[in-house]
Amino acid sequence: DAKTTQPNSMESNEEEPVHLPCNHSTISGTDYIHWYRQLPSQGPEYVIHGLTSNVNNRMASLAIAEDRKSSTLILHRATLRDAAVYYCILKRDAGGTSYGKLTFGQGTILTVHP
Amino acid sequence: NAGVTQTPKFQVLKTGQSMTLQCAQDMNHEYMSWYRQDPGMGLRLIHYSVGAGITDQGEVPNGYNVSRSTTEDFPLRLLSAAPSQTSVYFCASSYRTGAYYGYTFGSGTRLTVV
Repeated sequence: DAKTTQPNSMESNEEEPVHLPCNHSTISGTDYIHWYRQLPSQGPEYVIHGLTSNVNNRMASLAIAEDRKSSTLILHRATLRDAAVYYCILKRDAGGTSYGKLTFGQGTILTVHP
Repeated sequence: NAGVTQTPKFQVLKTGQSMTLQCAQDMNHEYMSWYRQDPGMGLRLIHYSVGAGITDQGEVPNGYNVSRSTTEDFPLRLLSAAPSQTSVYFCASSYRTGAYYGYTFGSGTRLTVV
C-alpha cells in the first residue's frame, strides 16, 4: 500500500473547526482514502472515506486535492470527545483479491482544549 | 446494539498457557480480521477471513490460529502463550473486502503474558 504522512500532533479549542492534513504523494488511481480515529482505550473507529470527490457525513468532511496527493479531514466543531489519534490510510481496491489489510501509521494525536 | 463484540476485555496468562479470544459480529459481514496493537508499532494484521470456512494469514500469524465456522464468529487461539504476545488485540469486520467498505472494530482484549 502507498505511504501516508501526517503531523504527529495537533491542538484545537473546543467548538472550533479542525483541519487534519494527510500527504499521500504516491497514491495510485485505485487507492481509496480512509480515515479512522482511536479514542483512548478503545478500538479504531471508522470516520470517512473517499476516492476523488469531497465527502461529507455526520462525523466529518473529507476534502481531497485535485491531484489526490493530499487530503484533509475536517471536523467542523471540535468537542472534547473528538480528542483521539486520527489515522489516514490508503486502501487499494483490488477487486475480490484484496485481503483487506489496513496499514496503520502513527497517526495524528489531536488534543482539544476546553 | 449492532457491532463487534470481543471477550474477554482483559486477560493475564502464564507463559505456555493457551486461550481463545472471542470475536462476534451481528452485521452479516463477510470479512473479519484480527489485529494486534503494540506501543510504537501501530496495528498489525494477524489473520483474516473472507467468509465462513475461509481463513488466511496476515503479516504476524506465528503463534496464533483461527477458524471461521460461522459468518458471525471468528475466534483467535493462542497455542502456547509467550511474553511477546502481550498486546492489545482488536477484531474488525467489514461488509466486503473491497476498498470501498469501512471497517467496524471491537473494543479490544488487553492480554498480558507473564
